[in-house]
Amino acid sequence: DVKVTQSSRYLVKRTGEKVFLECVQDMDHENMFWYRQDPGLGLRLIYFSYDVKMKEKGDIPEGYSVSREKKERFSLILESASTNQTSMYLCASTAGGGNSPLHFGNGTRLTVT
Amino acid sequence: DQQVKQNSPSLSVQEGRISILNCDYTNSMFDYFLWYKKYPAEGPTFLISISSIKDKNEDGRFTVFLNKSAKHLSLHIVPSQPGDSAVYFCAAPLGWFYGGSQGNLIFGKGTKLSVKP
Repeated sequence: DVKVTQSSRYLVKRTGEKVFLECVQDMDHENMFWYRQDPGLGLRLIYFSYDVKMKEKGDIPEGYSVSREKKERFSLILESASTNQTSMYLCASTAGGGNSPLHFGNGTRLTVT
Repeated sequence: DQQVKQNSPSLSVQEGRISILNCDYTNSMFDYFLWYKKYPAEGPTFLISISSIKDKNEDGRFTVFLNKSAKHLSLHIVPSQPGDSAVYFCAAPLGWFYGGSQGNLIFGKGTKLSVKP
C-alpha cells in the first residue's frame, strides 16, 4: 500500500512566521502535489513537482513555495504566514504514466492566528 | 470559472437506498474523470474513474455514468450504507504533463453524503 505521510496533523502558527509542511511518500513516485482544502471551495492545487528539484505552480501559488531535494520528500513553505492561509493542507503523490490515481496523506490542519 | 461543478453541497439518503451524486463539467477537452471520497480528518481516497470512451464503469456498489453530450457524470451507490457517509469529490485532469500521469486535477467543491440508518 502506498503511504503518504504528512509530518504534522495539527499546527498553530502566528502571523508572519515561516512555516514548513513536510510530506514523505514511500512508493518511489515521481509526481508530488500540495493541495489545500477549504469549506465550499473543494481542493485547490498549490504546487506540484514531477521530478527532484522540479516544481510547477498550481492554481493558487501566491504566498507559498516548495522544495523537492529528494524524490520521496516534498515540502511546502509558507514564507510569512497569514490568517487567510488557515486551511487543511493535503499532500499527494502518483506514479508517472497512465491513469494512476493520486494517493493523499491525511492532511495538516494549519491555523494561523 | 469553475470547470468541474458539484451543485449539491449535501445529500441525505436512507440506508439501503440509492445515492446519486452529480457532477457537471464545462471543458470538453476533459477525457477522464475520477471520484474521490473523503472522511473527516483523513485524506481523500480514490473511489472510481471513467474514461470518456465509456459511458459507464462499475465497481461493486459504485457505478459512474458519463453523458458526454450533456457534460455530466453521476456516481451511483447501491445500496447505500452508513459507512458511505463522507464528502465525495468529482475531479478531472486538467492536462497531461511530463510522465503522462493524471497531472493537475481539477476538483469540484464536493458533496457531503449522509446515509441514515
